[in-house]
Parts: sequence; structure tokens; C-alpha cells
Amino acid sequence: DAGVTQSPTHLIKTRGQQVTLRCSPISGHKSVSWYQQVLGQGPQFIFQYYEKEERGRGNFPDRFSARQFPNYSSELNVNALLLGDSALYLCASSRTGATRPEAFFGQGTRLTVV
Amino acid sequence: AQKVTQAQTEISVVEKEDVTLDCVYETRDTTYYLFWYKQPPSGELVFLIRRNSFDEQNEISGRYSWNFQKSTSSFNFTITASQVVDSAVYFCALSVGPSGSARQLTFGSGTQLTVLP
Repeated sequence: DAGVTQSPTHLIKTRGQQVTLRCSPISGHKSVSWYQQVLGQGPQFIFQYYEKEERGRGNFPDRFSARQFPNYSSELNVNALLLGDSALYLCASSRTGATRPEAFFGQGTRLTVV
Repeated sequence: AQKVTQAQTEISVVEKEDVTLDCVYETRDTTYYLFWYKQPPSGELVFLIRRNSFDEQNEISGRYSWNFQKSTSSFNFTITASQVVDSAVYFCALSVGPSGSARQLTFGSGTQLTVLP
């Protein structure tokens, strides 16, 4: 089976612009989560979606939004980009149930805001 | 709130040495999961191991082993006979609540491991 896929892999945007990042989970995984990883730090939780509903939100401004589609893929949107939004954005998918709770990550989208 | 602390910022060892990565966590929940992930230069986080809060049995999987101690809130990870390919940033992570909450991870700041030939 294919792993978690994210697109695009790299992106350069200008301050004030808007960006959309995409994620396809592993087949059979219904939960998708998004993380922001600034250089030199650990990933920070942004959103979790399960069955197309937001199930968790981290400490991020309203400029960040996301959604999940019927096929369980997901998009992360960031409006009014700031220089500080430059980071690696990671998507993770996971199963439901207690037997395999671990999350599997994609290769990430590296966003540079100039 | 949850917190994960990885006090070791960087570790450098010579190939074939054993290396232990430390992780200390904080949570008031009684049900939680702990994970170790590896991040090579390519950027993708690779899942390595997990442990739930009800199972303190320490295990060995190949060259990897882990020591989970609830009394000290520690979840240390050991690589035996390290190899150059083990060079990466290693993250300890925590999720709380029932199994579904593994989707909301709290990560430590990571430990950069360099294995020298």
C-alpha cells in the first residue's frame, strides 16, 4: 500500500498570499492530522480530522483552516501568510481502534514565505 | 496540558557503540501512548516504537530497545551497535486519552544523533 502522500513537496509564497496544502492518507485510515515543524524544533499539532469533522485544534490563529473530504483526503489552508509561517508542514494518518494507534507521516511540504 | 522533554540536543557516537536517547514526559491522564519517531534529512517522520501506559514491560526489537518507567515518567530508547544509517533526529512523542487520541501528538524538541564511521 502507498504511504501518506503530500503535495506539493516545496512551495515558495509571498507574504500576504494564501496557500493550500494537500494530503492523501494511507488506504483504510480515516483520521488525518496536520503538524507544523519550524526548523530545529519538534512538530506542533495544528488540526485533527476524523470522518470529515474537526476533532482537535492546536494553538494556531484563525488564518489556519483545514477540511477533510469523503475519500478522507485533506487540505490545509493558510491565509495572509507571514514570514513566520515558513516551515515543514507534515500530514499524518492513523487507524481507529486501540491495536494500532500510531500515526504515519508523509514526506511533508516545505513552505517558504518571502 | 502535556509536555515532552528531550534534554539531549545532540549526541555523537562512533559506529558500533550503543546509544541511549532520553525522554521525560508530563501528563495528568492515566491513559496515554508514548512513541519514538526518526526523522532523516529527507524530512519524513518514521514511526519506530510505541508503548501504552498500562504496559511497562520493556522490549527489544532488533537493534532497538526501550525502557518505560512510569515512576519517573521516562521513556528511553536505546540503539545497540549503532550504524551510520542511524544518523537522524529522533523525536519522543506523547498522546493522551483513548486510542483515537494518538492522532494528536505532543512532540519533544528532538535529539540529533550522529554516528561516525
